[in-house]
Amino acid sequence: GQSLEQPSEVTAVEGAIVQINCTYQTSGFYGLSWYQQHDGGAPTFLSYNALDGLEETGRFSSFLSRSDSYGYLLLQELQMKDSASYFCAVRPKTGGYNKLIFGAGTRLAVHP
Amino acid sequence: DVKVTQSSRYLVKRTGEKVFLECVQDMDHENMFWYRQDPGLGLRLIYFSYDVKMKEKGDIPEGYSVSREKKERFSLILESASTNQTSMYLCASTTGPSNQPQHFGDGTRLSIL
Repeated sequence: GQSLEQPSEVTAVEGAIVQINCTYQTSGFYGLSWYQQHDGGAPTFLSYNALDGLEETGRFSSFLSRSDSYGYLLLQELQMKDSASYFCAVRPKTGGYNKLIFGAGTRLAVHP
Repeated sequence: DVKVTQSSRYLVKRTGEKVFLECVQDMDHENMFWYRQDPGLGLRLIYFSYDVKMKEKGDIPEGYSVSREKKERFSLILESASTNQTSMYLCASTTGPSNQPQHFGDGTRLSIL
């Protein structure tokens, strides 16, 4: 089966850098994704790592190491609007059809 | 722009009722999904569909069924609603290659009394 572990909460100050970790146990997957969800809103896609290494999109970066069964989302120059929940997700090779298995989510609180 | 629309934002029903949650996407996506979201549990997959009239069970299908009569519409049915089905329900769609993101609706907060 598959399971993903994330910290439940992270707190940081504006302008800082924060890293949200995701460790997983899975028999095989295509890639690791990250989604952001503001309170009362829909999850929205942030990034996708198909291969090991770092992917950068503006202030956000995502990293994957398959050998360590580990990934993270890095948020730089934090802004108040980054306060949200962040979910890692894997697309398993079994089951097909682009289904995702999600972690429980990390609630990020950004303070002034 | 991509759009996934769920028919109701909030819904209150009684135990034993048959409940229908509707989801429509305008992106001609083959794959559609229903999740429920509960605090501390993340998003859990209930059912998904990869084509019209095709469906597959997700991780928590008990007590639910689905219908996909048209490509753009995917319905979630609670056959006989129970209080433990009180939750946020999210619909999503995606297409093709494995690197394509899922696009989510705004969710339906369902309360079963």
